[in-house]
Amino acid sequence: DAGVIQSPRHEVTEMGQEVTLRCKPISGHDYLFWYRQTMMRGLELLIYFNNNVPIDDSGMPEDRFSAKMPNASFSTLKIQPSEPRDSAVYFCASVRLAVSSGANVLTFGAGSRLTVL
Amino acid sequence: AQSVTQLDSQVPVFEEAPVELRCNYSSSVSVYLFWYVQYPNQGLQLLLKYLSGSTLVESINGFEAEFNKSQTSFHLRKPSVHISDTAEYFCAVSGPRRPSSASKIIFGSGTRLSIRP
Repeated sequence: DAGVIQSPRHEVTEMGQEVTLRCKPISGHDYLFWYRQTMMRGLELLIYFNNNVPIDDSGMPEDRFSAKMPNASFSTLKIQPSEPRDSAVYFCASVRLAVSSGANVLTFGAGSRLTVL
Repeated sequence: AQSVTQLDSQVPVFEEAPVELRCNYSSSVSVYLFWYVQYPNQGLQLLLKYLSGSTLVESINGFEAEFNKSQTSFHLRKPSVHISDTAEYFCAVSGPRRPSSASKIIFGSGTRLSIRP
């Protein structure tokens, strides 16, 4: 498996523009997480999905942020309009939740570095 | 609810010196504990995990961590570090899984390990 694939790896945009970040989870994984990483706040969970359904979006900072998962192999995180304080690295991660004992071990993508000017 | 505290934001050490990265957690239920490593410009990768059984767990590259229930700690150690260990290290905790819901993984704020030659 190619792992969790994120695109773009780098995005530079101007304030007010729409930004769309994409994620392809590992095939067979039923949970998908979006995280944001900044120097000031560290790693923050934004939202996560189970079987394509959003379960907890309490970490989404504002209404400008939205996330979708139209199918098991694709998710997007959209920021509209973007602001300079949205500059961060955005990570997608996925995991397959086994009913038997064991722990969730997340597999992370390489991240999308967003810079909003 | 669970929480994780990493007491040191940065740890500078000389090459071949021993290192300890501290992690304390709080939880009202039994937990799983993890250390993830993030190399520069990459996503997080699992370093090691504690599920149950032996309280000392080891990674393939010489790191080890010991689960101490009485002190609610899961400190990461390596007896002799290498330049290639330069990275950010994240301690994480998750509660026991239930078939009906996902257990979110809570990350600490990270410890940046810098190795000096």
